[in-house]
Amino acid sequence: KAGVTQTPRYLIKTRGQQVTLSCSPISGHRSVSWYQQTPGQGLQFLFEYFSETQRNKGNFPGRFSGRQFSNSRSEMNVSTLELGDSALYLCASSLAGGLSNTEAFFGQGTRLTVV
Amino acid sequence: QKEVEQNSGPLSVPEGAIASLNCTYSDRGSQSFFWYRQYSGKSPELIMFIYSNGDKEDGRFTAQLNKASQYVSLLIRDSQPSDSATYLCAVSRRNSGYSTLTFGKGTMLLVSP
Repeated sequence: KAGVTQTPRYLIKTRGQQVTLSCSPISGHRSVSWYQQTPGQGLQFLFEYFSETQRNKGNFPGRFSGRQFSNSRSEMNVSTLELGDSALYLCASSLAGGLSNTEAFFGQGTRLTVV
Repeated sequence: QKEVEQNSGPLSVPEGAIASLNCTYSDRGSQSFFWYRQYSGKSPELIMFIYSNGDKEDGRFTAQLNKASQYVSLLIRDSQPSDSATYLCAVSRRNSGYSTLTFGKGTMLLVSP
């Protein structure tokens, strides 16, 4: 069965631009979570979507937003990019996400570099 | 602030030895505990999960959970150079019907031949 697919794998953007990242979860999985990973901060939770609704949100500024479509695919948008947004962005899918016994599986990530 | 703490390492062990990776968490309401392995430049890969106090074994891996001490560990027996990676501890707690994974910053393991 296909895993979690993230596109694109690599991106280079200029400060002030915006970017949209895409995540297709494992078939049948309805929950998609987004994380930012940097060497200094580790994996930090951005937000989680379930059935097209944002259920939970981390401590990131409003420049970071997302959405989920009826087929469970999710997109994440970052506007007015800053140098500090350079990171590996990971999405994780899980069957329901709302159950404590549900494991999350990660995509390969999108490496964003802001110059 | 709910936190998950791990020693950043690197933890260096010789091939064939037992590697012991430790993790403490601050939220007493945490219900599920996960270990992910992340190779350099790759995404995290789930290797173990544990929900109840005690030990859980899967091949060369054993996860140990002590909720009273808020401590979870991962033992890797017969360590191999291919086990060299960063190991991330993650915990989750159900809130209002959903749960969120909180990750530690990871421990780098180096297994020398």
